[in-house]
Amino acid sequence: QPQLQESGPGLVKPSETLSLTCTVSGVSISSGAYYWGWIRQPPGKGLEWIGSIYYDGATQYNPSLKSRVTISMDTSKSQFSLNLMSVTAADTAVYFCARQGFSSWYYWGQGTLVTVSS
Amino acid sequence: QSVLTQPPSVSAAPGQKVTISCSGSSSNIGNNFVSWYQQLPGTAPRLLIYENYERPSGIPDRFSGSKSGTTATLDITGLQTGDEADYYCVAWSSSLSAWVFGGGTKVTVL
Repeated sequence: QPQLQESGPGLVKPSETLSLTCTVSGVSISSGAYYWGWIRQPPGKGLEWIGSIYYDGATQYNPSLKSRVTISMDTSKSQFSLNLMSVTAADTAVYFCARQGFSSWYYWGQGTLVTVSS
Repeated sequence: QSVLTQPPSVSAAPGQKVTISCSGSSSNIGNNFVSWYQQLPGTAPRLLIYENYERPSGIPDRFSGSKSGTTATLDITGLQTGDEADYYCVAWSSSLSAWVFGGGTKVTVL
C-alpha cells in the first residue's frame, strides 16, 4: 500500500512562495487510475482541497486558489510538488498530500505545518 | 462558509448512536458520490465511508453512510470514547469543478 510523506520549509515569509514535496513509496505514481493531491487545514479549522495531478500531468485546481497554485510531478523520484505563490498569513495551515481515487481520498500523508510569518 | 453544511457538534453517551448530516445541492451531493472522514486530534483524516455507503476494509460496521437527494448522513452506533473526533463529508462539485468539504462535526462522547 502507498505511503506518502510531505516535506518542505515550515516557515515562509509573506509574499513568497510556499513549496512542498510529497514523496510516495510502495506504489508507482505513474501507474495511472489515481490523482495525487494536496489538501490543507488552517489551525482549528476545516479541510480545503488545493488541487490534484494525474499521472499524465493533467491538473485540477481549486478555483479559489487557481491563480496562485502549481502542482507538478517527478515520476523518476516518485514525488509530486505544490507551489503556492504570494502567500499571506491566511495560508498558514497543515498541508496534507493524499491519493485521490475515483470518489474519495484513501491514503494520506501525516501532514506538515507551514507558517507564514516574517 | 463551507459548500457542504454539517452541524458543528453532536454528542451522545457511550453505546448510543449519533447521526451527522451533510447538506449540499444538486451540483455536488445530489449527483456525485459522498465520502466521510474521521480526524482524530493531531492526525491525518481517515476514510470511513466512500461512494455514499461503502466501508473500506478495517472500518467497523458501527459506521454507516447513506444519501437521499442532496443530503448525506453518517451514523455511528455503539458509540465509544475512541470515536471522539472531527468528522468531515466530501463530494465533487460539478459546478465548481472542485472537491468540496463540509465544515466538520465534532463528536463528543458524554
